Amino acid sequence: GENVEQHPSTLSVQEGDSAVIKCTYSDSASNYFPWYKQELGKRPQLIIDIRSNVGEKKDQRIAVTLNKTAKHFSLHITETQPEDSAVYFCAPLLPAGNMLTFGGGTRLMVKP
Amino acid sequence: NAGVTQTPKFRILKIGQSMTLQCAQDMNHNYMYWYRQDPGMGLKLIYYSVGAGITDKGEVPNGYNVSRSTTEDFPLRLELAAPSQTSVYFCAIRPGGGELFFGEGSRLTVL
Repeated sequence: GENVEQHPSTLSVQEGDSAVIKCTYSDSASNYFPWYKQELGKRPQLIIDIRSNVGEKKDQRIAVTLNKTAKHFSLHITETQPEDSAVYFCAPLLPAGNMLTFGGGTRLMVKP
Repeated sequence: NAGVTQTPKFRILKIGQSMTLQCAQDMNHNYMYWYRQDPGMGLKLIYYSVGAGITDKGEVPNGYNVSRSTTEDFPLRLELAAPSQTSVYFCAIRPGGGELFFGEGSRLTVL
């Protein structure tokens, strides 16, 4: 299966600052790149995704950028708020891929 | 919520006991997954299924078994429970576009 790594594993920012989380993957054939958010005690939920034919996608304060050459994609959160505090996971998918492997997660803490 | 129901929500087992975690969906999707998440850790794939009658191992299958006799149900069986299986178990479906929809999770403690 895919080898997926996330960095950093923990990130602490001041409210209003920006946060960036990076996900690297091993298989250049991957074509779907999602980010999930998991709040404490809850299930993971998709917050943004991108496909390989697009370099960047934005949804209000969050954005995802993709660098296929370097095999990594990143989650960007601007103007962070305390409710952004959560664990974030990436899970790149291969075309016709069935086995979905998650990155190790990044714990984001936004200090008020 | 894409209609993934997990039962039970909580369970305490003694070492050596067996049990089945149930996962049901009501949208006829083929792809279903079982993950475990240890405290403060990431999601590890246990087993997955691409349709009725078809299952395959994920990253951490040892100590577990699954079956997929119908499209709707994907139960996860724990045989001879061990403390190392204390975890939160998530079932998920993938309708086909890539996104995973998770159930609320089943919290299992083995003492």
